[in-house]
Amino acid sequence: GAGVSQSPSNKVTEKGKDVELRCDPISGHTALYWYRQSLGQGLEFLIYFQGNSAPDKSGLPSDRFSAERTGGSVSTLTIQRTQQEDSAVYLCASSLDPGQGEVDGYTFGSGTRLTVV
Amino acid sequence: GQSLEQPSEVTAVEGAIVQINCTYQTSGFYGLSWYQQHDGGAPTFLSYNALDGLEETGRFSSFLSRSDSYGYLLLQELQMKDSASYFCAVGSARQLTFGSGTQLTVLP
Repeated sequence: GAGVSQSPSNKVTEKGKDVELRCDPISGHTALYWYRQSLGQGLEFLIYFQGNSAPDKSGLPSDRFSAERTGGSVSTLTIQRTQQEDSAVYLCASSLDPGQGEVDGYTFGSGTRLTVV
Repeated sequence: GQSLEQPSEVTAVEGAIVQINCTYQTSGFYGLSWYQQHDGGAPTFLSYNALDGLEETGRFSSFLSRSDSYGYLLLQELQMKDSASYFCAVGSARQLTFGSGTQLTVLP
């Protein structure tokens, strides 16, 4: 696609429910990143995928969070048993490869605004 | 660990020049990046400095001093559309640590 696509754009869920957030990166981009942005804050790293390598999950805040990337393309971030503190904008980004991402920057999607009530 | 400090807010008038500073602490330095984010929008990449000095891209310039762990983003000939949040970031290609952002307001 022309850009990084994320769905849904908005999600309201009840505390305790599970949610799935989807990211469709730019075609051909091997590196994919998930970040979280709370209101008025910077971006917090969650997870990184590169090709077929094992993902870097060091940013996931708890074991309620998981992510997968199928076929080296689409990625899904799953949050189980959502809590109110999970409310944030979840941003996905991709780059051609990590080196290009470092020098030429990531391309971010518009994010999924998650509200846990 | 890594941490960054930047001012929370900056206000300037249209046509003026504004400088947004960023100081960082990091265990391993690769480069300093800058991103722009309009309200409700996606962050967009502005610049990257791996070496000391000034990088210029149109109205925007970015500076880095590795010895001082310091950089800045310089915006010239400010326009109303430059009103946005600006984030500095450090880290490797695999993982960036972002500052909390500077909200720039451009007044007519």
